Amino acid sequence: DGGITQSPKYLFRKEGQNVTLSCEQNLNHDAMYWYRQDPGQGLRLIYYSQIVNDFQKGDIAEGYSVSREKKESFPLTVTSAQKNPTAFYLCASSQDSFAGEQYFGPGTRLTVT
Amino acid sequence: AQSVTQLDSHVSVSEGTPVLLRCNYSSSYSPSLFWYVQHPNKGLQLLLKYTSAATLVKGINGFEAEFKKSETSFHLTKPSAHMSDAAEYFCVVSEGVNYGGSQGNLIFGKGTKLSVKP
Repeated sequence: DGGITQSPKYLFRKEGQNVTLSCEQNLNHDAMYWYRQDPGQGLRLIYYSQIVNDFQKGDIAEGYSVSREKKESFPLTVTSAQKNPTAFYLCASSQDSFAGEQYFGPGTRLTVT
Repeated sequence: AQSVTQLDSHVSVSEGTPVLLRCNYSSSYSPSLFWYVQHPNKGLQLLLKYTSAATLVKGINGFEAEFKKSETSFHLTKPSAHMSDAAEYFCVVSEGVNYGGSQGNLIFGKGTKLSVKP
């Protein structure tokens, strides 16, 4: 069964701690993406990666970091520098960065108190 | 720069009545346009996409959308709403391949929440 998995579904952290969100895909897609979703704001792009060992900042990269050491994995770290980290985080992938159509994981809801 | 405007943040219909979710876009290039659906606390699922072929696009679950270049619109419709259609819907435009460094990235509208009354 091909798809994208994100874990955990819910995550709770104390302010000042770094936290890493997992994203794995078995679709053999080259491109992967991280989005942040806040109520009434749609989705905003945090980082994206077109190939292994390469990634670019999106519109709201400050306070976040990523790595792409393997084609199937694109973890996102929310650092203590992120001012307002509580949000719903969605990972997506596409065949390539020109395909347009993206496939989404189920999301991770992060709550920082 | 490309942008997407969803004209209604919330639409409420009765079961069995038509659905119309409105979307306008701006684009400097020939856009690719998409509608995605999101049920509560879930990821997004692609409903349909327009990529410069037929202007009337049919999607899953009985939804369709019409690309109107003269009106820069891509409204989503369904003849008869079902309770299971209650969800949030996102209109999305894809940046053209020659646009800056974020080739192929998606620009999302803010979403329209669809409620379906029994």
